[in-house]
Amino acid sequence: EAGVAQSPRYKIIEKRQSVAFWCNPISGHATLYWYQQILGQGPKLLIQFQNNGVVDDSQLPKDRFSAERLKGVDSTLKIQPAKLEDSAVYLCASSNPGQSYEQYFGPGTRLTVT
Amino acid sequence: SQKIEQNSEALNIQEGKTATLTCNYTNYSPAYLQWYRQDPGRGPVFLLLIRENEKEKRKERLKVTFDTTLKQSLFHITASQPADSATYLCALDTNSGYALNFGKGTSLLVTP
Repeated sequence: EAGVAQSPRYKIIEKRQSVAFWCNPISGHATLYWYQQILGQGPKLLIQFQNNGVVDDSQLPKDRFSAERLKGVDSTLKIQPAKLEDSAVYLCASSNPGQSYEQYFGPGTRLTVT
Repeated sequence: SQKIEQNSEALNIQEGKTATLTCNYTNYSPAYLQWYRQDPGRGPVFLLLIRENEKEKRKERLKVTFDTTLKQSLFHITASQPADSATYLCALDTNSGYALNFGKGTSLLVTP
């Protein structure tokens, strides 16, 4: 089966600009996650969707970050305006908790804010 | 709040030896704990899950133990190979849905 797809793989922007990331989860996975991974750290949850509803966005900086999962499949994560501290890898993951708790991760998008 | 600690320093071992990685946690009683492997430039890959009522889990050369009294999990790779070199992440379930809380990871280097 195809894995989790993410694009772009790399993005360089200047601070105060906006950026969007796209994720296509594994087919049939109802749960989708966005994690932020700063260099040298473990992934940190930003937002979790169950189908097209938000389960947890408590750690999402809502003044600048937004995410949506229209139709319960693909998802986009947007940052506007970006700050230097947003430089990180943004990982998308999906899972099918009805079968297993393991999460399947995409390759990530490496964002550099200058 | 939930806190997870993994070996802060990189672990260097010789090929053929057993690597042991540690994950300690505080302020939480997880229902399960997971271990992931992450290679540079890639997303984490699931390795093993162990539940709170399980003491030990094995998969090929991998073994995980879970001591809920000590609040600790140990991850062992036996007969280690250079291909095992990677960062290994410990993750606990959270109170929110099925999201995970990850440790910082331990970098393992296996030399021939």
